[in-house]
Amino acid sequence: NAGVMQNPRHLVRRRGQEARLRCSPMKGHSHVYWYRQLPEEGLKFMVYLQKENIIDESGMPKERFSAEFPKEGPSILRIQQVVRGDSAAYFCASSLSQGSSYNEQFFGPGTRLTVL
Amino acid sequence: AQSVAQPEDQVNVAEGNPLTVKCTYSVSGNPYLFWYVQYPNRGLQFLLKYITGDNLVKGSYGFEAEFNKSQTSFHLKKPSALVSDSALYFCAVRDGGNNRLAFGKGNQVVVIP
Repeated sequence: NAGVMQNPRHLVRRRGQEARLRCSPMKGHSHVYWYRQLPEEGLKFMVYLQKENIIDESGMPKERFSAEFPKEGPSILRIQQVVRGDSAAYFCASSLSQGSSYNEQFFGPGTRLTVL
Repeated sequence: AQSVAQPEDQVNVAEGNPLTVKCTYSVSGNPYLFWYVQYPNRGLQFLLKYITGDNLVKGSYGFEAEFNKSQTSFHLKKPSALVSDSALYFCAVRDGGNNRLAFGKGNQVVVIP
């Protein structure tokens, strides 16, 4: 069973370009979380999605950032008009549906975004 | 909001010695606590979790953690450290009903041969 897949692993963009980060959850997982890790810091929650729905985007910047998790295909984190401060590692995690018990999140290898 | 604190930046330990990585939490209600490990240029790997039940939780790779309600702590432990345990360790707490995680800043563990 493949784990959480993220691509690309490394992405270089110039200021003002767009960055698209993709995440394929583990098989059978319908919940996706995106986190950002700035240098020398822990991970910060950005957004939580289920298929076709954004459940919690309280950690996402209000401008330039968007996320989706379509019925078919991977989840996409999109950053428009990137700035140097967007340089970070972006991690995706997935979990089973929560139901009455808590299921741990499994993380992908991350996408390291560098903005020149 | 729920939060965790990892007071140390780096933990150095000799191979074969006990390893402890500290974590304290601040929550309202019952805490859901987690430990993850991150190797260089890799994603986070789940080690263990505390939801309810026994205060001593056993996890992967010989790690365990002790939940202490009176001290609001959830320290990670391993009786005998290996060089391969050298990595970045993160404590995390469930933050809100949507199950997002709030992470500590991480502790770099260096196991000296």
